[in-house]
Parts: sequence; C-alpha cells; structure tokens
Amino acid sequence: DSGVTQTPKHLITATGQRVTLRCSPRSGDLSVYWYQQSLDQGLQFLIQYYNGEERAKGNILERFSAQQFPDLHSELNLSSLELGDSALYFCASSVGTAEKLFFGSGTQLSVL
Amino acid sequence: GIQVEQSPPDLILQEGANSTLRCNFSDSVNNLQWFHQNPWGQLINLFYIPSGTKQNGRLSATTVATERYSLLYISSSQTTDSGVYFCAVPPHPGQGNLIFGKGTKLSVKP
Repeated sequence: DSGVTQTPKHLITATGQRVTLRCSPRSGDLSVYWYQQSLDQGLQFLIQYYNGEERAKGNILERFSAQQFPDLHSELNLSSLELGDSALYFCASSVGTAEKLFFGSGTQLSVL
Repeated sequence: GIQVEQSPPDLILQEGANSTLRCNFSDSVNNLQWFHQNPWGQLINLFYIPSGTKQNGRLSATTVATERYSLLYISSSQTTDSGVYFCAVPPHPGQGNLIFGKGTKLSVKP
C-alpha cells in the first residue's frame, strides 16, 4: 500500500457526462500529480499541484480541470466526456516538488 | 523535449533466470525513477536513482548520468516479477513531474 488513496476504483459513464476523481496523498506529502494511462498513449502527465498551487501542466485537455484543497486532497474533473477519454487515471504524491513519486491504485474510467 | 527509450520492449524468462533492462534518455537528468506495474495495474516505485547504484533484495539499479542510461537488474526472477517496468525522468532538471518510457513487459514462466 503506497498510502495514496484514489476513489472511485471504477467509473462507468456516458459520453457528454462529467465526472470527478478524488485523490488523497500520503501523509506529509505536499505535491499531487495526475497521470492518464491508455494503451495507445502510455503514461501521460496531466498536471501537478504543490501545496495548493498549480506547479506544472502537461497534456491536459481544456475539458479537464483539477484543484488541490487546503487539506491537500485533490480532485480531477473531466467534462464533456468522449469515448477516447476511457483510460486509467492515476494520482501520485511526493514530499516536495522533485522527489520519489508514490502512485495510488488508479481509477478505471470507461466512457460508453 | 527529453526522450526516454526502454529496451527490450518484451522479455520472457524462465523462473530463476536473471535479466537486465535498459533505459536511455536524451538529456541530462537529476532524477530517475524505476517503476513496476503489476498485472493488477498497480504502479510501484522501485528506485529513485539519479546516479550510482542501489540494491533492494533481488533488484538493483545503476544510473550512469554522464552517459545517459540506467540499468535495472533482476536476479533469480520469480513469477511475481511479471508486469511492466518503466523508467521515468523529469522533462527539465528540478521538475517533479516525470516523463515515462514505453516500458519493458516482463513475463516470468514457472
């Protein structure tokens, strides 16, 4: 167990819908990262927050947004969902901004 | 941006065999990490190894930063070692987000 908690584990929804994925980092970790894993694109970095502030942005679509709350948990919001958004979404955390990353167990999103 | 290449893409081993996985990267890094994704999808951090050699049980890793490569050694492989092994580096020194290679898929047969 990495100590990073993601909910839900599985999510099935329809095209055009909006979903929210939740992540609680390891105790003491200030950075939260979101990654998307699909068969064709591999593991893609989406966005990083550090202590509530956006730190780095990757290949995150405009339909996606995220935030980190004062208690350091983070949410990833995916809207206007398309079939191609079906993927495994991971959250990871680290103590600071460039240390060892610990991953949660992921949320498997299926858009039908 | 920085490129990460892993080889081989696939590897099939008999239980008890040893193996070496390679990761090449195209630019200087101050942070390199190896991960194992097991068949259930969990990503486990094996090593944080920007340079030098580290060992953890049957696994060890060596990074030669000046030559831009890292090696992951698995000795006396077990079926539980099966899965995909990724190396990852930051796109720029000092950044925490990581760029992942495409991975090496390892299958260990009993």
